Amino acid sequence: GESVGLHLPTLSVQEGDNSIINCAYSNSASDYFIWYKQESGKGPQFIIDIRSNMDKRQGQRVTVLLNKTVKHLSLQIAATQPGDSAVYFCAERRGSGYALNFGKGTSLLVTP
Amino acid sequence: EAQVTQNPRYLITVTGKKLTVTCSQNMNHEYMSWYRQDPGLGLRQIYYSMNVEVTDKGDVPEGYKVSRKEKRNFPLILESPSPNQTSLYFCASRETGRPYEQYFGPGTRLTVT
Repeated sequence: GESVGLHLPTLSVQEGDNSIINCAYSNSASDYFIWYKQESGKGPQFIIDIRSNMDKRQGQRVTVLLNKTVKHLSLQIAATQPGDSAVYFCAERRGSGYALNFGKGTSLLVTP
Repeated sequence: EAQVTQNPRYLITVTGKKLTVTCSQNMNHEYMSWYRQDPGLGLRQIYYSMNVEVTDKGDVPEGYKVSRKEKRNFPLILESPSPNQTSLYFCASRETGRPYEQYFGPGTRLTVT
């Protein structure tokens, strides 16, 4: 029979619009979170990080929001551009060391 | 240009034939690591190295070996590859003082038949 691949959640936005990519985490004790961008055929690239004692952190055209009450993290990209098309995934610090738990990712598609 | 390089980028091999994937970084980073990325599972760490001659197991070390004889190089060795090691592999490095800002290589797509 036909095999079905595992598909990532996909978000499609128009160029110039704002994008919001969401991530739920499971460990309420997690104290550090990171967002990565992975373009097709390339390795992940660090975008922005946030500590659990913060609710919001801004970078260049990106903002990360952390809602510890519902264990939710979001990445907002302002004025989305075609070059923003990629898979975005979040990671949370595991325990007290440097190991990370990586999310599975969301595919962002920017249409003209 | 600051970068992490991996070779080969693509490899098709047969079960049991030993292979090595090389990784090199030119940023003088002390910390290096290897990950595998599989659909639906996200990135999982295989091994990491805090410095020369210091290596430790990550989450999925079975079937892999590493060595760190020089600061810039961190090869991944599969002594007897099996089909369940078919995956996309990434090498990464980072500065000691920036534990989460990792620089990833371009990836090596390995197929074991």
